Amino acid sequence: DAGVIQSPRHEVTEMGQEVTLRCKPISGHDYLFWYRQTMMRGLELLIYFNNNVPIDDSGMPEDRFSAKMPNASFSTLKIQPSEPRDSAVYFCASNSGGRTGELFFGEGSRLTVL
Amino acid sequence: GENVEQHPSTLSVQEGDSAVIKCTYSDSASNYFPWYKQELGKRPQLIIDIRSNVGEKKDQRIAVTLNKTAKHFSLHITETQPEDSAVYFCAATSYSGAGSYQLTFGKGTKLSVIP
Repeated sequence: DAGVIQSPRHEVTEMGQEVTLRCKPISGHDYLFWYRQTMMRGLELLIYFNNNVPIDDSGMPEDRFSAKMPNASFSTLKIQPSEPRDSAVYFCASNSGGRTGELFFGEGSRLTVL
Repeated sequence: GENVEQHPSTLSVQEGDSAVIKCTYSDSASNYFPWYKQELGKRPQLIIDIRSNVGEKKDQRIAVTLNKTAKHFSLHITETQPEDSAVYFCAATSYSGAGSYQLTFGKGTKLSVIP
């Protein structure tokens, strides 16, 4: 397997624009996680899915953020409208053990909002 | 929810010396404690984990110890090498209600191994 695949790797956009980040988990994994990483706050869990169903979205910062998982092989994280404080590296991760299994991270999407 | 504190935030050691990173957690029900290593510009990767029914686990030059009573766990790296230079994250699993579990990460420790 190619591992968790994220796109785009880098995104530079202007404040107010819509941003869509994409993730393809490892085949067979039934959990998918979205994390945000910044210097100030470290790795923060935004939302996670089990069998395509959102289980916990309490980490989503506000209504500007939304995530979907229409099928087992694809998930999106959308920010609309984007703000400079959203600048961060967004990681997608998947596993088959849920809370007690190894997390396999994607390469991350580095977002810069000007 | 769970709160994970990690210390120190930065650590410099001479090549060949040992490095120790410590973490504390708040939720006594947490029972899974992984450690991830993140090299510069790369993704975090699991290097070792420990479950609450075990007090210590070793894998070559790395070891993790867990003290459930005191709610702290530590990563030990012996005979450090330059390739050990990275940011290390500890984490703990906690229950956040309605069947939902979270893996909460510490803020990370930037380890520099000086040749």
